[in-house]
Amino acid sequence: QLQLQESGPGLVKPSETLSLTCTVSGGSISSSSYYWGWIRQPPGKGLEWIGSIYYSGSTYYNPSLKSRVTISVDTSKNQFSLKLSSVTAADTAVYYCARMVRGVIRYWGQGTLVTVSS
Amino acid sequence: DIQMTQSPSSLSASVGDRVTITCRASQSISSYLNWYQQKPGKAPKLLIYAASSLQSGVPSRFSGSGSGTDFTLTISSLQPEDFATYYCQQSYSTLEITFGQGTRLEIK
Repeated sequence: QLQLQESGPGLVKPSETLSLTCTVSGGSISSSSYYWGWIRQPPGKGLEWIGSIYYSGSTYYNPSLKSRVTISVDTSKNQFSLKLSSVTAADTAVYYCARMVRGVIRYWGQGTLVTVSS
Repeated sequence: DIQMTQSPSSLSASVGDRVTITCRASQSISSYLNWYQQKPGKAPKLLIYAASSLQSGVPSRFSGSGSGTDFTLTISSLQPEDFATYYCQQSYSTLEITFGQGTRLEIK
């Protein structure tokens, strides 16, 4: 059974860079059928797609976040990562990693809360 | 980008009720529309994909319909475990997905 697990600091200071990693188990991140993505959800609000990556390294970002987002993949570790720079309180959210097939998300991580505060 | 608008934003209903949630896309997305259920503190769960296909393991009381710009999620007979927030999501733009704002289904 495929599992995704987010990891990273739960507290980030304003203006710094948020960094999260998603570890994939029970399947290979190098499969040609899938994209891997990040989605976030501010407390009490809806879902926002951040970006996606293919195992080859091709990336696709939400235009509203594109200038601050970098997603990368490490196939040797079966992981992919998110970096979001210059964070503010508005970036406080639960961050989910996910696997996508033609834009449909069947597998999600459990989510990790990242709070931006000094 | 494609905007997704759900209605209503919240809904109160009773066990056994038939409930319909609507999702409208800002442009035609054919049948590339998916529905998710989210319970507090949990990740979303896929219910319906391609507008009307039931995800494996999802009860048959859930159904989806629509194409183009207008879509509906119907729960035929509400069960206690169905009280949750529901999101639609377009996958027409496969590499730039967007979600509706959510519909919170509460117990009356």
